[in-house]
Amino acid sequence: DADVTQTPRNRITKTGKRIMLECSQTKGHDRMYWYRQDPGLGLRLIYYSFDVKDINKGEISDGYSVSRQAQAKFSLSLESAIPNQTALYFCATSDPRSDRVGNEQFFGPGTRLTVL
Amino acid sequence: GQQLNQSPQSMFIQEGEDVSMNCTSSSIFNTWLWYKQDPGEGPVLLIALYKAGELTSNGRLTAQFGITRKDSFLNISASIPSDVGIYFCAGQRWGSNYQLIWGAGTKLIIKP
Repeated sequence: DADVTQTPRNRITKTGKRIMLECSQTKGHDRMYWYRQDPGLGLRLIYYSFDVKDINKGEISDGYSVSRQAQAKFSLSLESAIPNQTALYFCATSDPRSDRVGNEQFFGPGTRLTVL
Repeated sequence: GQQLNQSPQSMFIQEGEDVSMNCTSSSIFNTWLWYKQDPGEGPVLLIALYKAGELTSNGRLTAQFGITRKDSFLNISASIPSDVGIYFCAGQRWGSNYQLIWGAGTKLIIKP
C-alpha cells in the first residue's frame, strides 16, 4: 500500500468552481506539504503544516487554502478555480524526529488538475 | 520565488554513457537532496547529503555536497533505459524552517 495517497488523481473543472484535493499518509509523519508543479518550473510550495494546529503559507498561497483535519490528513482547496491553476499538485510528508531526517520529504503520486 | 540553478535543462545520451548534472545557488545550504520523477508519479528521493564535501552513492548514482555549501552534483554511471525521467535537486538553506528550495529539473532522455 502507498504511504502517501492523493485523491483524485485527475480532475477537470470549470472556472469559478470550488475544488478540494485530499492527501492521506500512513507514514506517521507530523509534517505535511502541498506543492504545485508546472513544466519547467520545478516544485513550488503552496502551504505546509508541522502539526495539526500549525498551518503556514508557502511561496504561492494566494488562491488556495488548506485544512489539517488530523495528523494523517491534509487537504488543499481552490476557493474559485481559475485556468492558471491548471497544474500537477503534490502532497509530501516529512519526519521531524531529527534535524537530518526532517529535511527528507516523501511524495504522493500527484493530482493532475485542469481548469477550463 | 527563489529556485536553485539546475543544469543542464535536458540531456540526450546513449545507453551506457555516464551522466552529470549539478545545482548551484548564491546561498549557503545545509542539506542537499536529489530526487527522480517518472512520468505520472511523484518525486522519489535518491540521495540525501548533510555535510560539506560529503560523497554518497546509491547504486550507479553518486552525489556530492559541494565544499562551498552552495552547490551539489549528481552523477549516473553506465546509464540504462530506466534512468529516463526528470531529476530534481532540492536544498534547505541554513536557518530556514525545513522548507526546501527546488531546482527546475534535468530531463534525461536516452537516444534510441
